[in-house]
Amino acid sequence: AQSVAQPEDQVNVAEGNPLTVKCTYSVSGNPYLFWYVQYPNRGLQFLLKYITGDNLVKGSYGFEAEFNKSQTSFHLKKPSALVSDSALYFCAVRDSNTGGFKTIFGAGTRLFVKA
Amino acid sequence: AAGVIQSPRHLIKEKRETATLKCYPIPRHDTVYWYQQGPGQDPQFLISFYEKMQSDKGSIPDRFSAQQFSDYHSELNMSSLELGDSALYFCASSPQDPGTEAFFGQGTRLTVV
Repeated sequence: AQSVAQPEDQVNVAEGNPLTVKCTYSVSGNPYLFWYVQYPNRGLQFLLKYITGDNLVKGSYGFEAEFNKSQTSFHLKKPSALVSDSALYFCAVRDSNTGGFKTIFGAGTRLFVKA
Repeated sequence: AAGVIQSPRHLIKEKRETATLKCYPIPRHDTVYWYQQGPGQDPQFLISFYEKMQSDKGSIPDRFSAQQFSDYHSELNMSSLELGDSALYFCASSPQDPGTEAFFGQGTRLTVV
């Protein structure tokens, strides 16, 4: 069965500093990995994804994520955090063996960026 | 650009009542997903449809049912509502390609009193 873990409930970082939001996954087939962001009372917005190819993927708003197959991780990163990045971040995975109809989300990590 | 439309945005129901949530996917998206997000919780997958057929089922209670219609819109029917059903219900759509991200609607906030 597929699963996603986000080990940190909350990440605090100062504006201008680099940020990392951690995610590990478990699937039986090849993983399709996604990051979404959720602002208060809003739907989830897609940030970036890894399907195949380069392990480092770049997405919206300056975010990037690195796929590490040996560590089964897909950590979200940004070189310089902005206050406006404060939101709830969800890692998600689809398992190629299930045909991709079910996306499983992690518990979410709340990012606080202080000015 | 067209997005996923959900209606209503807010809904208040009493215990044991019935609620129907609607979702209109992005044009040419043939896959629809429903998620439930309780307060402070991650989205929980309920059910998905591909080409009007149920494609996968998650933690959807037996009191809930859903379907996808010929125009690809979907409805989530919830009966015998319980206080614990109060949550944000998201619909998402995507083309039938597991490598394509899902596009989410703004959600319907259901409050059961």
